[in-house]
Amino acid sequence: SQTIHQWPATLVQPVGSPLSLECTVEGTSNPNLYWYRQAAGRGLQLLFYSVGIGQISSEVPQNLSASRPQDRQFILSSKKLLLSDSGFYLCAWSQGGSGNTIYFGEGSWLTVV
Amino acid sequence: AQSVTQLDSHVSVSEGTPVLLRCNYSSSYSPSLFWYVQHPNKGLQLLLKYTSAATLVKGINGFEAEFKKSETSFHLTKPSAHMSDAAEYFCVVSGSGGYQKVTFGTGTKLQVIP
Repeated sequence: SQTIHQWPATLVQPVGSPLSLECTVEGTSNPNLYWYRQAAGRGLQLLFYSVGIGQISSEVPQNLSASRPQDRQFILSSKKLLLSDSGFYLCAWSQGGSGNTIYFGEGSWLTVV
Repeated sequence: AQSVTQLDSHVSVSEGTPVLLRCNYSSSYSPSLFWYVQHPNKGLQLLLKYTSAATLVKGINGFEAEFKKSETSFHLTKPSAHMSDAAEYFCVVSGSGGYQKVTFGTGTKLQVIP
C-alpha cells in the first residue's frame, strides 16, 4: 500500500531563517506531488505541484520554493522566512492523470516568530 | 474553469440528528468530486469520491453524498451525527487537465452538540 510521510510535524523558526520541509511517498512510482498551505481560518492554497523529477510549477508568487530531487521526494524550502509564512503545510500525492484521489500527509505546523 | 462553493462555513447539529453539508460546483469538464475530513491539527482524510459511476456515493463512517448534475451539487449527508464527527469538511472538485487541476472549497466546520 502507499504511504506518505511528512516532517517535521512542528517547527518554530525566527524571521529570516531558512526552511526545509520534506515529504516522501512510498509504494508508488511517478506520482503527482503537491504542497498546500492552510492559514488559520482559511482554506487550502495550492503552492506547488510536480508531475515528475525536476518539474515544478508554482501557483502563487511567494518567497517559498520547491524541489523534487527524486521521484518520490518533494521538498519545500525558503531562504528567509517571513511572519506571513506561518501556517499548516500539507504535502499530498496522487496518481498521474485526472480524477484520481489526492492523499495527504499529516501536515507540518510552521510558526515564524 | 472550475470552482467549488461550500455554502455554510459552520454547521451545528445535536448528536443523533442528521447532518447536511452543502457543496455546489462548476466545471467545464465532467468532474470528479470528493469530500475530505480534517480533524484538528491533522491531515485531510478522504471520506468519499464520485467519478461518474453511481450518483449516490457511500463513504466511510456512515457518510454519503449524492451527485446532482442538474443542480451542480454534491451535498454530504449522514443520518445520525456522532460526537467524533466534529471536524472540518472540504468539498473538492477535480477536472481534467495536464496535471489534474484540483480546487478546494473553503471548508465547513461541523459542531456536534451532546
